[in-house]
Amino acid sequence: GAGVSQTPSNKVTEKGKYVELRCDPISGHTALYWYRQSLGQGPEFLIYFQGTGAADDSGLPNDRFFAVRPEGSVSTLKIQRTERGDSAVYLCASSPTAGPGGYTGELFFGEGSRLTVL
Amino acid sequence: QKEVEQNSGPLSVPEGAIASLNCTYSDRGSQSFFWYRQYSGKSPELIMSIYSNGDKEDGRFTAQLNKASQYVSLLIRDSQPSDSATYLCAAIDSWGKLQFGAGTQVVVTP
Repeated sequence: GAGVSQTPSNKVTEKGKYVELRCDPISGHTALYWYRQSLGQGPEFLIYFQGTGAADDSGLPNDRFFAVRPEGSVSTLKIQRTERGDSAVYLCASSPTAGPGGYTGELFFGEGSRLTVL
Repeated sequence: QKEVEQNSGPLSVPEGAIASLNCTYSDRGSQSFFWYRQYSGKSPELIMSIYSNGDKEDGRFTAQLNKASQYVSLLIRDSQPSDSATYLCAAIDSWGKLQFGAGTQVVVTP
């Protein structure tokens, strides 16, 4: 398909383990976003990439979270020493352009990676 | 206080009636506003954007914006069971980030 692809769709891990979540954006989309959504809440901003660089990582909760986009396409969100509070759906979104200031509200979301930390 | 506030619902609407969803935002610097629809277990999908005061209509959906009151609304006319979903209000804040409300659950009853 031509949509945003996220893998894995489900990940169950134990507290303290390392996790990688992958996002393959829509071809040609330069902007890529990671959001986190907990049950009953709206998506919470984590990080935004414009091309290969992280233009804004102010939403990453702490230094256990890190994301890369080395070739300006696929992105990986990395979580070290997972905690039970990290359990959520991690959503990736892309957009074809960035608006003024680098952001746009017209995002195309993937189906998410549901992370459960036991 | 969250930047974008919505009633969580559920909002129960008879089939064929108008569903009215409300949203307020706290950042006066916000200029762009969006409504996303999210079906249970699925990802958000953009349905409307609005940038200027007034009404914007797209099919059965009408978005309304009042920047002076910091208020955004969404009307769904002729509600259908397929409209049952959570509707997320979102705004681009002064720092350029897209901030979401917690969403309003809409249930359309046949």
